[in-house]
Amino acid sequence: GAVVSQHPSRVICKSGTSVKIECRSLDFQATTMFWYRQFPKQSLMLMATSNEGSKATYEQGVEKDKFLINHASLTLSTLTVTSAHPEDSSFYICSALNRPRGEYEQYFGPGTRLTVT
Amino acid sequence: KNQVEQSPQSLIILEGKNCTLQCNYTVSPFSNLRWYKQDTGRGPVSLTIMTFSENTKSNGRYTATLDADTKQSSLHITASQLSDSASYICVVNRIYGGSQGNLIFGKGTKLSVKP
Repeated sequence: GAVVSQHPSRVICKSGTSVKIECRSLDFQATTMFWYRQFPKQSLMLMATSNEGSKATYEQGVEKDKFLINHASLTLSTLTVTSAHPEDSSFYICSALNRPRGEYEQYFGPGTRLTVT
Repeated sequence: KNQVEQSPQSLIILEGKNCTLQCNYTVSPFSNLRWYKQDTGRGPVSLTIMTFSENTKSNGRYTATLDADTKQSSLHITASQLSDSASYICVVNRIYGGSQGNLIFGKGTKLSVKP
């Protein structure tokens, strides 16, 4: 149980284009999902907290107009990287919040490798 | 400053050998500490989670320890297998209850198990 999927797993796009990444909780409902970015040999960095039915909360230094987050249902959150630049190339990981045994637990997706050329 | 430091940065061991990974943290207030395994190009998978009152927790060949007084944790891997090759990440949850995205991640220890 508590499976989180991401699509696509890999994407290559040209500079200036937009890319949408989907995060789905497959067997549970998640009112809260998180988006992380991970650069090579670095730890995961939280970008934003996505709440179903409301606006996302962005971490300091993350441009909300560049990284659009939509959490339209209890099982789906999307991250759209707009006007992508090569420096946006990274590994993007989502997680979904669940309470399997009373305690909150984050379940991570498999990640999406974005390469901007 | 809330930080999680892991050592060593990387480690190479032979298949069948044991190893111990270290994690020191300065996160406060502390709720719980988690160890994750992250295969290359994949998302993290939870191995153990411990609250401040727990000293040790096992998950198969993985045993985590926690000393909340010294703010240190370790992950011991017994009888390593080739499939253990991955990054092991120590994560500290900064608040109680909600766990609303207040996870502080270490940079991980990259373990390579050689035949």
